[in-house]
Amino acid sequence: GAVVSQHPSWVICKSGTSVKIECRSLDFQATTMFWYRQFPKQSLMLMATSNEGSKATYEQGVEKDKFLINHASLTLSTLTVTSAHPEDSSFYICSARGTGGPNYSGNTIYFGEGSWLTVV
Amino acid sequence: QQQVKQSPQSLIVQKGGISIINCAYENTAFDYFPWYQQFPGKGPALLIAIRPDVSEKKEGRFTISFNKSAKQFSLHIMDSQPGDSATYFCAASIDSGYALNFGKGTSLLVTP
Repeated sequence: GAVVSQHPSWVICKSGTSVKIECRSLDFQATTMFWYRQFPKQSLMLMATSNEGSKATYEQGVEKDKFLINHASLTLSTLTVTSAHPEDSSFYICSARGTGGPNYSGNTIYFGEGSWLTVV
Repeated sequence: QQQVKQSPQSLIVQKGGISIINCAYENTAFDYFPWYQQFPGKGPALLIAIRPDVSEKKEGRFTISFNKSAKQFSLHIMDSQPGDSATYFCAASIDSGYALNFGKGTSLLVTP
């Protein structure tokens, strides 16, 4: 299947600093990307949906000024956690759907491997 | 509000046995029901998915059963293997390309 890559796989940052997580579609054009957050032993909670070239749509309760999402190209979306605090420590996962590419199966959502964020 | 309810929370099955995980939903607009497998520290991987126009779909050892009138669907893993030990999530969405609503997950342990 198609590949979605996240970077970094894990990151440790100091409280108060900002950290950026990248999500790339390697072999297809990602017209829509979804960002999820997952705490240990819990389910995936949708944070926001972003369409290429548009502002992200955030789920209720997710602070858009804290979790900045940019989807400026068809292959890259970024999530920036601003002024990170220990409670932001979590597993962040992106997923994407789109078009094109030899391995992309119509309208399927593909997930990245996730990024572990630890705020100390 | 959890739009998809999943049970059991955890499941222990002996090697060779059948693992069964159940999910229920309320939103009748949902028409895409995938199952994901997640290993610790990894992103979820699509296992199998079904749409409401069929009552059953089988891929290898994995089968989805779908009951539209009851708004329930289930995953059956036949001949369960220790390598199947993982967390399984059911999900639902309005269309296959829309945001997924996940169940809470089932932690499956297959013992040798």
